[in-house]
Amino acid sequence: GEDVEQSLFLSVREGDSSVINCTYTDSSSTYLYWYKQEPGAGLQLLTYIFSNMDMKQDQRLTVLLNKKDKHLSLRIADTQTGDSAIYFCAENRGSTLGRLYFGRGTQLTVWP
Amino acid sequence: NAGVMQNPRHLVRRRGQEARLRCSPMKGHSHVYWYRQLPEEGLKFMVYLQKENIIDESGMPKERFSAEFPKEGPSILRIQQVVRGDSAAYFCASSPGSGTNAIFGQFFGPGTRLTVL
Repeated sequence: GEDVEQSLFLSVREGDSSVINCTYTDSSSTYLYWYKQEPGAGLQLLTYIFSNMDMKQDQRLTVLLNKKDKHLSLRIADTQTGDSAIYFCAENRGSTLGRLYFGRGTQLTVWP
Repeated sequence: NAGVMQNPRHLVRRRGQEARLRCSPMKGHSHVYWYRQLPEEGLKFMVYLQKENIIDESGMPKERFSAEFPKEGPSILRIQQVVRGDSAAYFCASSPGSGTNAIFGQFFGPGTRLTVL
C-alpha cells in the first residue's frame, strides 16, 4: 500500500525527550528519512538511516529502526521550544526510483 | 550555495486560469521532484524529472497538469484551467542523482502556495 503512518500530535515539556513514531510499508525500502517543517516553510532534512542499520545518533537526535516490524522512531533529547514543528517520516522504496513516500506528519508542540 | 529556489512563494488564481510554478534546483543537482501538500496532509509525489526528461509522472493527474525541466532554466509545473481543489502547497525538491538521492535525501524548496478563488 501507499501509506506511511504517523501519529498526528505530540506534546512535551521543554527539557523532556520527545519520541515520534512511524510505520512504513515496503520491506524493500533502502533509506528512511526524517524531515522537519516549520510553519509556512519547506521541509528540512534532519537525518536519515540506511535499512541495514538499527540505530543512528546525531547530537540530540536518535533514530531507531525495527526492520522486522517496519517501525521507525525519532527521539529528540532535551526538547526545546524551537523544536516545535511538524515532523515527517519518509521512505525511499527500492521498487520505485527517486520518489519519496511521506507520512502525514506529527505536530510536535513543546511547552515551556 | 543557494538552496532550492521556488517562485512565486504565493500565487492566487481564479478558476479557469493557468498557474505556472518555477523551481531552480540546488547548484550541481540535475534531478528535480515535485510534491503537493494539501492542508493537514503529508506530501504526495507528483513527478520526477531530469534535464529534458520525465522519469516518473505517475503521481501527476493526467489532465491539466504538466511539468518540464528544460536544458536551460528552471523546472516548470504548469496547471491549466485551475479548480478550487488545486489549492495546495507545491514543493520542489532536488538531488544530485538518483543514487545519491537515496543516500543524502532530497533537498526541498520553500514551496509555492497556490490559492484558487
